[in-house]
Amino acid sequence: DAGVIQSPRHEVTEMGQEVTLRCKPISGHNSLFWYRQTMMRGLELLIYFNNNVPIDDSGMPEDRFSAKMPNASFSTLKIQPSEPRDSAVYFCASSSGTVRGSPLHFGNGTRLTVT
Amino acid sequence: QKEVEQNSGPLSVPEGAIASLNCTYSDRGSQSFFWYRQYSGKSPELIMSIYSNGDKEDGRFTAQLNKASQYVSLLIRDSQPSDSATYLCAVQSRGADGLTFGKGTHLIIQP
Repeated sequence: DAGVIQSPRHEVTEMGQEVTLRCKPISGHNSLFWYRQTMMRGLELLIYFNNNVPIDDSGMPEDRFSAKMPNASFSTLKIQPSEPRDSAVYFCASSSGTVRGSPLHFGNGTRLTVT
Repeated sequence: QKEVEQNSGPLSVPEGAIASLNCTYSDRGSQSFFWYRQYSGKSPELIMSIYSNGDKEDGRFTAQLNKASQYVSLLIRDSQPSDSATYLCAVQSRGADGLTFGKGTHLIIQP
């Protein structure tokens, strides 16, 4: 089975530009998560969806960040406008979202560099 | 604010010895606990999950949970150089919730 698929793998952009990150979760998983990883802050949960509905977006740092999940097989994370401090690795993860103990399965991540 | 604390290391262990990694968490309502391994430049991969107090063994790995002390640990027996990585402790409140991660412990296995 294919795992979580993210694109692009690398993104280099200039400050002020719009950035869109994409994610395809594992088929059959009904929960999807966006994380950001930096050396300073580690892995931070930005937002997660359950059955395509956003459940908790309290980790989204600013209004410049937005996420959508139009269907069960696709999600986007958009940053507009981007800033140098947004440089990080962004991971998408999915899980089966059962009542007890649903480990997350991570994609390969998108390394974002904003200059 | 849910917090998960880990010693950042590096933790250096000789090949063949037991590596012991520790983690504490703040949310007493946490129900599920996970250990992930992350190699440099790669994504986190799940190696162990534990839900009840006590020990859980899987091959060379043993996870230990003590909910009263809010403490989780991971033991790696017969450590191999390929075990050198960052180990992330993660805690989940409910099954569908996101995981709260510690910042990880950098483990180095010395040949």
